[in-house]
Amino acid sequence: NAGVMQNPRHLVRRRGQEARLRCSPMKGHSHVYWYRQLPEEGLKFMVYLQKENIIDESGMPKERFSAEFPKEGPSILRIQQVVRGDSAAYFCASSPFIDRQGNTEAFFGQGTRLTVV
Amino acid sequence: LAKTTQPISMDSYEGQEVNITCSHNNIATNDYITWYQQFPSQGPRFIIQGYKTKVTNEVASLFIPADRKSSTLSLPRVSLSDTAVYYCLVGDKNDMRFGAGTRLTVKP
Repeated sequence: NAGVMQNPRHLVRRRGQEARLRCSPMKGHSHVYWYRQLPEEGLKFMVYLQKENIIDESGMPKERFSAEFPKEGPSILRIQQVVRGDSAAYFCASSPFIDRQGNTEAFFGQGTRLTVV
Repeated sequence: LAKTTQPISMDSYEGQEVNITCSHNNIATNDYITWYQQFPSQGPRFIIQGYKTKVTNEVASLFIPADRKSSTLSLPRVSLSDTAVYYCLVGDKNDMRFGAGTRLTVKP
């Protein structure tokens, strides 16, 4: 069972371009979380999705950012018209169906490092 | 979502036991306590999760007092490779919001 796969690992975009970050959750996982992390800082929650549904997007900037987790295929974090301040590491995590019994462990990908030039 | 407070940083030496305490005064009845570890340039990794009393696995122990307003992650006999940031999360099992974490540095 492969882990959470994020691609690309590194992405360079010019100001004003669009950035698309992909996250393939672990097999059988129906929950996906996206985070942004600046150097030497903690992970900032952005959005929580289940298949075809956005459950909590309270951490997403109101403009230029969107996320989806379609029925088929990876979850996508899309940043339109990127600015220098969007440069960061973006991590996604996946977890299986949340069951109140037993541990709920989320698995993280290796992240996508976005650099806006 | 219960807010958490952890020390910003801690230093230790190889072979010592390290205890990192997390305060969560407003923890709710349905909230669990979960700890993650993050190495530089990597995604976090689950360490342990608990609801009350004590939980132990092959990596760590988690101590939770009866009032659940705090918890302590205990790492036995740390090594240099345990140098990382440790995050305490408190919430129901869907909650995955991270605080600033505790930066643990293990010295030789």
